[in-house]
Amino acid sequence: LAKTTQPISMDSYEGQEVNITCSHNNIATNDYITWYQQFPSQGPRFIIQGYKTKVTNEVASLFIPADRKSSTLSLPRVSLSDTAVYYCLVALHHGSGNTGKLIFGQGTTLQVKP
Amino acid sequence: GAVVSQHPSWVICKSGTSVKIECRSLDFQATTMFWYRQFPKQSLMLMATSNEGSKATYEQGVEKDKFLINHASLTLSTLTVTSAHPEDSSFYICSAPILPGQPQHFGDGTRLSIL
Repeated sequence: LAKTTQPISMDSYEGQEVNITCSHNNIATNDYITWYQQFPSQGPRFIIQGYKTKVTNEVASLFIPADRKSSTLSLPRVSLSDTAVYYCLVALHHGSGNTGKLIFGQGTTLQVKP
Repeated sequence: GAVVSQHPSWVICKSGTSVKIECRSLDFQATTMFWYRQFPKQSLMLMATSNEGSKATYEQGVEKDKFLINHASLTLSTLTVTSAHPEDSSFYICSAPILPGQPQHFGDGTRLSIL
């Protein structure tokens, strides 16, 4: 499973756009990139998943360059409630023959200030 | 709404007690579920893969006789911490994908405190 590297922490202010970059130099051809959010004493919550280029949903965007060795999670106009730990994971799709297990890195603790 | 449910959400018990944690998939069948452990200020650590109808697959360093996993139905996996001691106190979380190839959904975790 590809190892991921993220900044340990980031600070931002309400209303700003936050970009969290994740490095995954050893990503394999069949690997997908998935981001999760975790609040204290809760399980991780799925944010977004992508394979290449750009993916956007109602809460975030995911930018993936052509070489796929990194990815950037973009959170538009963050609020205090976005303060959480964000995890970037790289893994085979469950349906690709892999068991689907996920190996979590250290994650990025985002602190949003008023 | 929640698609993976854990019970209990919090348990406190005496050292030497065995504790069972349930993980249920709601409105979908999960042939595979995953169990994680998370210590304060740390990331999630995968403990084992729970397979319906067969033995669980444990990660290196996880004692299978200490952490018993049973996946007897397509909607329920249980983790039993046997003869729990204070060092087993942690936050235990389960997950499952709704469909193969889809992202996993996580339960809200179980806070285990051993006195």
